[in-house]
Amino acid sequence: GESVGLHLPTLSVQEGDNSIINCAYSNSASDYFIWYKQESGKGPQFIIDIRSNMDKRQGQRVTVLLNKTVKHLSLQIAATQPGDSAVYFCAPPGWGKLQFGAGTQVVVTP
Amino acid sequence: DTEVTQTPKHLVMGMTNKKSLKCEQHMGHRAMYWYKQKAKKPPELMFVYSYEKLSINESVPSRFSPECPNSSLLNLHLHALQPEDSALYLCASSQETGSEAFFGQGTRLTVV
Repeated sequence: GESVGLHLPTLSVQEGDNSIINCAYSNSASDYFIWYKQESGKGPQFIIDIRSNMDKRQGQRVTVLLNKTVKHLSLQIAATQPGDSAVYFCAPPGWGKLQFGAGTQVVVTP
Repeated sequence: DTEVTQTPKHLVMGMTNKKSLKCEQHMGHRAMYWYKQKAKKPPELMFVYSYEKLSINESVPSRFSPECPNSSLLNLHLHALQPEDSALYLCASSQETGSEAFFGQGTRLTVV
């Protein structure tokens, strides 16, 4: 099965700074990854995805980097805002199912 | 319409009750999912439906019974639950299994 883990359970970031959230995976056959954001009391919300034929993908204020050699993903949030406070999950939807890693709680401080 | 709608938002039930959670999407998605989420934990996959057929059951106890009456609806029937089943139950859908999933806001279930 897939093992998906995150390096840091909680990340405290000052408003305006950049955030970097890391995610490791174990199955080298995973070819598609999704980052989700879950705010308190809400369901997970899609942020950005990346396929294994890419090393980098950019969205609005977010960038995902994929290093297939070391099986590592990162999500970078530029100019972190209070609304970015949430739990962030990476998920490889392999074998017809979407399974989540442990998640990283991002806390934005003023 | 990119919404997945879950009802009810909150549910309190006794251990001898029978209740159902409902999920609806009108995006034409052919895959639908049930997840269970405990506080400060990631969502745990329970069931996957693909083209209205159950394709994955993650060894979920039989007191949870899923049903997919049509391509837009997904139910989760609950019977004889235990207090430890109290959690947030999330429904999701995707175009196909393995593609981007859209989640509902969940049903907060409390078993007393």
